[in-house]
Amino acid sequence: SYVLTQPSSVSVAPGQTATVTCVGINIASKSVRWFQQKPGQAPVVVIYSDNDRPSGIPERFSGSDSGDTATLTISRVEAGDEADYYCQVWDSYSDHYVFGPGTKVTVL
Amino acid sequence: QVQLVESGGGVVEPGRSLRLSCTASGFTFETYAMHWVRQAPGKGLEWMAVISYDGNYKYYADSVKGRLTISRDNSKNTLHLQMNSLRADDTATYYCAKSEKKTAVAGLCESWGQGTLVTVSS
Repeated sequence: SYVLTQPSSVSVAPGQTATVTCVGINIASKSVRWFQQKPGQAPVVVIYSDNDRPSGIPERFSGSDSGDTATLTISRVEAGDEADYYCQVWDSYSDHYVFGPGTKVTVL
Repeated sequence: QVQLVESGGGVVEPGRSLRLSCTASGFTFETYAMHWVRQAPGKGLEWMAVISYDGNYKYYADSVKGRLTISRDNSKNTLHLQMNSLRADDTATYYCAKSEKKTAVAGLCESWGQGTLVTVSS
């Protein structure tokens, strides 16, 4: 089955840039979605179709991918960005959907 | 405004069954596939199942195949998850999520409900 790997945690100072990676075989050939989940809340889409933002999501959130790595970048990080971030793809070989294990972003 | 409200969670003994429901509003339910995703306490998201817009196609995670059945009633804008032979490791918050597409394939999760907690314990 298709496996996604994410760092368990990323720490960043306010105003700096946080980078969260999602690694999977040839992930650049897939559509990647990123979710933000704050404690006690449901996940919210922050990036879809690799690098598009839903309305209401700040421009500080961006996505990219190349080869085996998809990347969520949060620029000018704010305290309110502290959350868990998950990537998701669809695996066409198994017709299964896969989430990455999640990355806890901590704002120092 | 998409709204998804899950219900049916609670405490259930190991080996028993439980049926979860998700009531949808704010979009044309019958034209979108729907997902169930769960999250064990303190753990990550785990995709469980997806059903196509018309209910004709269903796919399940290998970890739960055979014990879970996803279904929908488009006349009532409702999604269901029948869970049988429940185990302690099924303890989780169960979310329903709207797909971005009508087909069961290639449609990632879009909007989510707030979830319903299922606790499997004697």
